[in-house]
Amino acid sequence: NAGVTQTPKFQVLKTGQSMTLQCAQDMNHEYMSWYRQDPGMGLRLIHYSVGAGITDQGEVPNGYNVSRSTTEDFPLRLLSAAPSQTSVYFCASRLRDFQGNEQFFGPGTRLTVL
Amino acid sequence: RKEVEQDPGPFNVPEGATVAFNCTYSNSASQSFFWYRQDCRKEPKLLMSVYSSGNEDGRFTAQLNRASQYISLLIRDSKLSDSATYLCVVNWRLTGGGNKLTFGTGTQLKVEL
Repeated sequence: NAGVTQTPKFQVLKTGQSMTLQCAQDMNHEYMSWYRQDPGMGLRLIHYSVGAGITDQGEVPNGYNVSRSTTEDFPLRLLSAAPSQTSVYFCASRLRDFQGNEQFFGPGTRLTVL
Repeated sequence: RKEVEQDPGPFNVPEGATVAFNCTYSNSASQSFFWYRQDCRKEPKLLMSVYSSGNEDGRFTAQLNRASQYISLLIRDSKLSDSATYLCVVNWRLTGGGNKLTFGTGTQLKVEL
């Protein structure tokens, strides 16, 4: 199993540009989520999905959209990039939305917005 | 008050030392607890779950104190390879259903020769 994969690893955008961060998992996990990690802030939840066709907002959803058309894929779209979105983005998955399930993370995407 | 608080460190310790980290959480309804390890510029990975009675995995021991709302991680006989950031993670059940995982900002450990 490849686990959770993310592309790209690095990205530089100009203010106002849009882009999609890709995330896929091959573990047949129902639950997928996106986090951003900033110095001194810890991991913050952006959006999550409990299954194909179902998405919901996390703590910091503004400026981001998601969709979940398949169990495997959970792309994150930046609609109009802003310097405040410079961060490291992690996609994560777990078997289902259950408190005991281990959460697996992708390798991350380092995004810089100029 | 942050929902999950950790001392950011860094904790600089010699190889072979014993080191302990604490983490406090604010929600008394928290149900499950974890320690994740994050290496520099890498993704977090589960180190161990924390059970009410305390649990051990090799050189690592985790404890939970529900009354005082803190969890701890003890590392014995530290190795150079233990150098990393250790994230405290707390889960609680939301009133509308679903679970919320909250991450601490991490404690940095540097093990030195």
